[in-house]
Amino acid sequence: RKEVEQDPGPFNVPEGATVAFNCTYSNSASQSFFWYRQDCRKEPKLLMSVYSSGNEDGRFTAQLNRASQYISLLIRDSKLGDSATYLCVVIFAGGSQGNLIFGKGTKLSVKP
Amino acid sequence: NAGVMQNPRHLVRRRGQEARLRCSPMKGHSHVYWYRQLPEEGLKFMVYLQKENIIDESGMPKERFSAEFPKEGPSILRIQQVVRGDSAAYFCASSPLSAALGEKLFFGSGTQLSVL
Repeated sequence: RKEVEQDPGPFNVPEGATVAFNCTYSNSASQSFFWYRQDCRKEPKLLMSVYSSGNEDGRFTAQLNRASQYISLLIRDSKLGDSATYLCVVIFAGGSQGNLIFGKGTKLSVKP
Repeated sequence: NAGVMQNPRHLVRRRGQEARLRCSPMKGHSHVYWYRQLPEEGLKFMVYLQKENIIDESGMPKERFSAEFPKEGPSILRIQQVVRGDSAAYFCASSPLSAALGEKLFFGSGTQLSVL
């Protein structure tokens, strides 16, 4: 079973739409979660951390469901500039790989 | 405060040559991570180093690949006798403390390696 899984998409949505992505993880001992954004051929950049209580940053809302072992990212009022690949990142307690695992990403394309 | 600097930005090598990729972490960061990304694929962990020490190299092929992070100077990812399958984008990231503590990573712009 893969450690971090994401729907690769692409999610094609019109401007102004609300879109949500999920990311599931296999290790219940996971302790920290992040969403990164990667534009085509560029480096990943941190979008937001995901806290147990959920957190919101403008049009972006991240939530964690430990019981079902998934995190989500909700984007409201999508903009053209939101088009990118969104990477889910999970930190496992006591794991290898520097304890940090990237999902393969979900591709979002916002159309005018 | 400059970000993570990687060079070269693009590197072209013929099969059998050596490739040396450099990464200078952000000032004050002593933890460096190397990742490889193939087109349309996710980031694959290769190696995690902390000044002068390799902490975890479980993602790095045992042959032809090596990494170092000397006391002075940048971290180097070295690929000997490159093959076409080594063509990929190689990203370096740094953090002030271990990512296991929840520290976010700062990424360099990557080196695109093309093997002819």
